[in-house]
Order: sequence, then structure tokens, then C-alpha cells
Amino acid sequence: AQSVAQPEDQVNVAEGNPLTVKCTYSVSGNPYLFWYVQYPNRGLQFLLKYITGDNLVKGSYGFEAEFNKSQTSFHLKKPSALVSDSALYFCAVRDPGSGGYNKLIFGAGTRLAVHP
Amino acid sequence: EAGVAQSPRYKIIEKRQSVAFWCNPISGHATLYWYQQILGQGPKLLIQFQNNGVVDDSQLPKDRFSAERLKGVDSTLKIQPAKLEDSAVYLCASSPARGANVLTFGAGSRLTVL
Repeated sequence: AQSVAQPEDQVNVAEGNPLTVKCTYSVSGNPYLFWYVQYPNRGLQFLLKYITGDNLVKGSYGFEAEFNKSQTSFHLKKPSALVSDSALYFCAVRDPGSGGYNKLIFGAGTRLAVHP
Repeated sequence: EAGVAQSPRYKIIEKRQSVAFWCNPISGHATLYWYQQILGQGPKLLIQFQNNGVVDDSQLPKDRFSAERLKGVDSTLKIQPAKLEDSAVYLCASSPARGANVLTFGAGSRLTVL
């Protein structure tokens, strides 16, 4: 079965330090991978996606993610964290059995807390 | 462009009552999704429409949940009768069509069942 794992419930980082939010996936075939962010009382907002090509993907708000096929990982990174980055982050993979439709399977989420 | 609109934002009901949520997707988006997000979990797809047809409703509890998108634009998700475990945020999302498209989510409708 297709699945996404986010092994950390919460990540704490000091402002100005680099951050990493981890994601591993299990899917048949080539994965379509996504990161979304959710602020309190808001819907999910798209950050970035990997479909094919360069393993390092750049997205919104200075975030980037590195696709690693051998480790089946798609970790989210940012060189210098801001307090305003504090939010809930979700990794997702497109279900390859969805016939080309964008049925996403989400991880449980990781709460990022950036401290001043 | 206007985002995905959802209403109501909050609803509190007692178990066995019914509730309906409304969603208006981004104009021109053919695909509409309803996701259920239980506290502490990632969103789970309930139903997916392509225009006014159902593409996937394999995870919709059909004994109590129903959804429609009659004219291929806005959609309604209904729960009747509600159970305590239905307490969640119901997220509506839309995307242009098939392909590796990004989903645009609404702010969600938070349901509390007492």
C-alpha cells in the first residue's frame, strides 16, 4: 500500500538556524511528491513538488526539498528559519492508482516550532 | 483569483443530528475533493469529483456520508446521522484537471460532535 511517514511529531529550531523536516514514502513506480503547510485555522498551502528532474526542488518562502530515490525520502529544508515558519507541515504522495487524478496520500504532519 | 470558499467555518452538533458543508471551488477547476482531517492526523480523501461525476469515493462512509456536485461547480457534503468520531475539519480542495496539478485548499469547516 502507498504511504507517507513523517517520523517527527515536532521539530524545534532556533531562528536563523537551518531546519529539516523529514519525510519518507512507500509507493510503486515513480513518485509524485508534495509538501504543504498549514497555519492555524487555515487550509493547506502548497510549498513545492517533485515530479521529475533535478533532485533538489525549490519552492515558496525559501523552502527546498531533496528527493532521494535510494532512501525513499523527500526531506524539507530551509537554510535559515524564521519565527513565521512555525506551522504544521505535511508531506504527501500522489496515489499512482488514481488514474492520473491528484489523489494525495498525506503523512500525519510535523509541527515546526521556531524559537526567537 | 478567488480561492476555494467553504461554509460554515464552524459547526457544533449533537450525535445523531445531521450537518451539511458547502464548497465553491476556484472558477474553472474541474476536479473537486473533500478531505477529512482528524486532529493529529493528516488529511484523508473522502470523495473526488471530476466535473459532476464521482472519480473516487472508496473511503466515504456511505451509510452516513453523502456528497454531490450537481452542476459541476459547487459541492455539498452531508453527514446524517453524525457520530462522535466524525469530529474533524472537512477540507475542500480543487485542481484544474488531471495531471500533476497542485491542489488549492479552502480554509475548512470544523465540526464538533457532542
